[in-house]
Amino acid sequence: GAGVSQSPSNKVTEKGKDVELRCDPISGHTALYWYRQSLGQGLEFLIYFQGNSAPDKSGLPSDRFSAERTGGSVSTLTIQRTQQEDSAVYLCASSLDYTGDTQYFGPGTRLTVL
Amino acid sequence: LAKTTQPISMDSYEGQEVNITCSHNNIATNDYITWYQQFPSQGPRFIIQGYKTKVTNEVASLFIPADRKSSTLSLPRVSLSDTAVYYCLVGALNNNDMRFGAGTRLTVKP
Repeated sequence: GAGVSQSPSNKVTEKGKDVELRCDPISGHTALYWYRQSLGQGLEFLIYFQGNSAPDKSGLPSDRFSAERTGGSVSTLTIQRTQQEDSAVYLCASSLDYTGDTQYFGPGTRLTVL
Repeated sequence: LAKTTQPISMDSYEGQEVNITCSHNNIATNDYITWYQQFPSQGPRFIIQGYKTKVTNEVASLFIPADRKSSTLSLPRVSLSDTAVYYCLVGALNNNDMRFGAGTRLTVKP
């Protein structure tokens, strides 16, 4: 079946602009995660959605970052007033449920802030 | 929150067995241990998951001692294509404590 998809694959924007990154999880997966990976660095957890529960936002680096998940499926990560330090690959993952199940990752969105 | 510690990098040669150890001294009772592999410009890919003792699949083996304060990923007879970053992940059943560390960069040489 189809895996996790993300769009766009690449995004170049100017400092101060807002960007929206989209994630389509695997159908039927109730858990969805956003991570960030800067060049040569490990993965940094951003936010986690589980079903209809309130998301765990503990990883969001600032109030310029927000995310929503509509209808328990598609998720959008929004970064307002982008800064150069926001440049990174943003990865989305989904898993079947909340029992420590395997996370399946999308290909990521490479964000470059000029 | 269980923090993990792994070696930053390791080198090996084709055909050798590679063992990567991850320390997680603060692992909780309901935490699972999961290993992921990541190639450049790709998202991580699941390798193996375990709770205690030993788990083996077609790709790797995972050894977890009785105290669960560490785990060892064993890759048999590595090839050049196994060159990647390997992440040890420790997380609770409800998943919202799953955090990735810096990973171990494995380089397999001919």
